[in-house]
Amino acid sequence: DVKVTQSSRYLVKRTGEKVFLECVQDMDHENMFWYRQDPGLGLRLIYFSYDVKMKEKGDIPEGYSVSREKKERFSLILESASTNQTSMYLCASSSGGSQSTEAFFGQGTRLTVV
Amino acid sequence: LAKTTQPISMDSYEGQEVNITCSHNNIATNDYITWYQQFPSQGPRFIIQGYKTKVTNEVASLFIPADRKSSTLSLPRVSLSDTAVYYCLVGSRNRDDKIIFGKGTRLHILP
Repeated sequence: DVKVTQSSRYLVKRTGEKVFLECVQDMDHENMFWYRQDPGLGLRLIYFSYDVKMKEKGDIPEGYSVSREKKERFSLILESASTNQTSMYLCASSSGGSQSTEAFFGQGTRLTVV
Repeated sequence: LAKTTQPISMDSYEGQEVNITCSHNNIATNDYITWYQQFPSQGPRFIIQGYKTKVTNEVASLFIPADRKSSTLSLPRVSLSDTAVYYCLVGSRNRDDKIIFGKGTRLHILP
């Protein structure tokens, strides 16, 4: 089974802190994604990577950056956490290409910024 | 990217067949239609994907008319455990294509 693992299930950080959310997948997938999910807003794409060191902005990249130094790992960085970044963060991976666009999700990280 | 429109919420009863329709008027020639299911406090889970006509797996069926401007996810004989949010997505299988979710349909199954 594909496994997408997020480093923390729950996280509490202070305003202004630099926050790292880590995601690792074990299926050699090309594509990795970071989403945030808030009540009534569905899943919104923050950043997307289709290869090592490659990244593309999603719909809401402001206040976030990402890093993909290795194929299996995709990190989301909150440079200076703010209370409006309190949310559920979901990482996903997919093989991309012609075979399938099925995305596999991690269990999510519920981040609270106080 | 094609935008999708689906009902915000639906209610049904155990044992019924549930059909959730999604509109995607601007679907492109190389776009596929994909449905995901999400339970509370979990990430979405892939259900089914299709390009045209009908696709069936052990979980659901997907009906796509010839013009591909809409699609219908059909869940046979639902149970309480099918209560979840269902997302309809359209997108290509290009390697660098993003996967964009809408707000989904909140399905509530009643006993």
